[in-house]
Amino acid sequence: NAGVTQTPKFRVLKTGQSMTLLCAQDMNHEYMYWYRQDPGMGLRLIHYSVGEGTTAKGEVPDGYNVSRLKKQNFLLGLESAAPSQTSVYFCASTERRGNEQFFGPGTRLTVL
Amino acid sequence: AQKVTQAQTEISVVEKEDVTLDCVYETRDTTYYLFWYKQPPSGELVFLIRRNSFDEQNEISGRYSWNFQKSTSSFNFTITASQVVDSAVYFCALKDSGNLSGTYKYIFGTGTRLKVLA
Repeated sequence: NAGVTQTPKFRVLKTGQSMTLLCAQDMNHEYMYWYRQDPGMGLRLIHYSVGEGTTAKGEVPDGYNVSRLKKQNFLLGLESAAPSQTSVYFCASTERRGNEQFFGPGTRLTVL
Repeated sequence: AQKVTQAQTEISVVEKEDVTLDCVYETRDTTYYLFWYKQPPSGELVFLIRRNSFDEQNEISGRYSWNFQKSTSSFNFTITASQVVDSAVYFCALKDSGNLSGTYKYIFGTGTRLKVLA
């Protein structure tokens, strides 16, 4: 099992460009999450999904959109990137509420 | 409201010293789960332990031990005889049952950076 994978690992964007980050898990987990990590701020929840076809806003959803068309994939989109979105993005999944989350390796995004 | 506080931003110890990382949480729910994760310099997040609110037994795993005290809403993590490889950022996290909050969110503390010096 690959666990949780994220594509790409690194990306540099110019302000105003768009991109999609892909998270894939092969553990048949129901719940998936997107976080961003900034220095000194821990992990902040962007969006999450409690099952295929469902999404919900987290703590810092502005400027991001998500989709969960397939159970194993959770996509995070930036429609018009801004320098404030420079961060490390982590995807996580969990089988059920209360279980530990399994994290992907992260995507380092720089917006110039 | 749910909250996790890791008041120690950074700790430095010399190898072989014991070190305790503090975690204080807030929740109105009676059923909840607590977690510790490690983030080494390579950047990945590694799960260390999960505890539910009904199990206050302390746990020891090798050089790691966890002290869960509901009376003080704390879930502290101790590393005995620290090693350079323990250098990392450690995160404490909280997940309630969702019955009161209606949420599926995990709440993370801001992390404690541990530096173990040789």
